[in-house]
Order: sequence, then C-alpha cells, then structure tokens
Amino acid sequence: AQTVTQSQPEMSVQEAETVTLSCTYDTSESDYYLFWYKQPPSRQMILVIRQEAYKQQNATENRFSVNFQKAAKSFSLKISDSQLGDAAMYFCAYLGNTGNQFYFGTGTSLTVIP
Amino acid sequence: KAGVTQTPRYLIKTRGQQVTLSCSPISGHRSVSWYQQTPGQGLQFLFEYFSETQRNKGNFPGRFSGRQFSNSRSEMNVSTLELGDSALYLCASSLGVGRGAYEQYFGPGTRLTVT
Repeated sequence: AQTVTQSQPEMSVQEAETVTLSCTYDTSESDYYLFWYKQPPSRQMILVIRQEAYKQQNATENRFSVNFQKAAKSFSLKISDSQLGDAAMYFCAYLGNTGNQFYFGTGTSLTVIP
Repeated sequence: KAGVTQTPRYLIKTRGQQVTLSCSPISGHRSVSWYQQTPGQGLQFLFEYFSETQRNKGNFPGRFSGRQFSNSRSEMNVSTLELGDSALYLCASSLGVGRGAYEQYFGPGTRLTVT
C-alpha cells in the first residue's frame, strides 16, 4: 500500500512570512495525483491544491504553491504571505491512477503568529 | 452548487448500539468515500461507493458497512459500537470517473461519541 509521510507534526509562522510544509510518499505507480487539504478548527476539509504526477510544472493557487519532486517522491507546500486564516491542520494526500482510494499523511498543525 | 452534507453532525451512543450516518454528495458526483478520523490514527479510509457499488474497502471490521442509493446519497452503518469507534466520520464525494475527476470534496463530518 502507498504511504504518505508528513514529518512535521507542528509548524509555526509569523504573519506575512513564508512557510513550507513537507510531505513524502512511497509508491510504485508512475501516474498518480497529490493533494494538500486544509482542515481548520471548524473541521471542514478544504482542498488547497492539486498536482498531477505527469505534469512537471509545479501547481500554484494564489499564495499556495507546491514543490513536486517526482524522483525524490516529495511534495511540499509553500504558503506565502501567511495569514491568520491559514492556521489549520494540513494534510498531504496521495491518489493512485485507479482513483479509488486516498492515502493521507498524519497532518501538520500550522500556527500563524500575529 | 451545494456542498457535501452529512447528518447528523453530532451523535452520542452507548456501547453495543448501532448507528447510521448519512452523506449527501455534491450534485452530479457519483462517488462517495467514507473516512474515520481520530487523534491517534489520523484519517483512515473506510470504503468508497460508486454507482451503488462498493468499489474499494479499507481495513475495518465487518461491523462497518455502507451503501449507496440511486441518487448517490450514501449511508454508513456501524453495529455493536465499541468505545474505540468514537471519532469524526468524514464523507467525501467526487465525480468518480474520468481522468482528473477524482478530486474529493469533504463534508463537515459527524462526530460520534460512544459511551
């Protein structure tokens, strides 16, 4: 089974600064999808950004961008100009090409310091 | 477009009872997945339904079951509840077929407490 590892249980960042959350995964598949989800204290999981493995270009969504290193099986999330509303648990997720099952990391709790 | 809805939002049950949770996916989505989230185990996949058929199943005992209706709404049932079943149960929907159609959208969850 695929595994997703988030080695940073907790991270903090000053408001307006940049923070990078790490994620590595293990797979033997060549085609797959990677996601970052955000879960604020209200508990609703929100999709932040998606990367398709066959695309070499790193995905970007406004202040959120990823550094996708396929050979290294690394998928980090960079949050620029951090805002108080970015405080949440962030989950990295892997989805194989069959699209039937997501594998989630254990999450990184991000605190934004005013 | 309305998001994924789950009912009830909170539930308290006693050991040995059974419980049914409901999930209504986003209109047009045919796939519904269920997850159990606990502080110790994180997010664990329970099962996925697509067009009324269970397409994939995680590593949970048979006490956990589900079904999907023709309108794509899904229910999850847990029988003979144990204290360890206390968790946030999340439902997620997606289109479920076609390249790039597996993006999952989550509901707010049902918080189940077993006493």
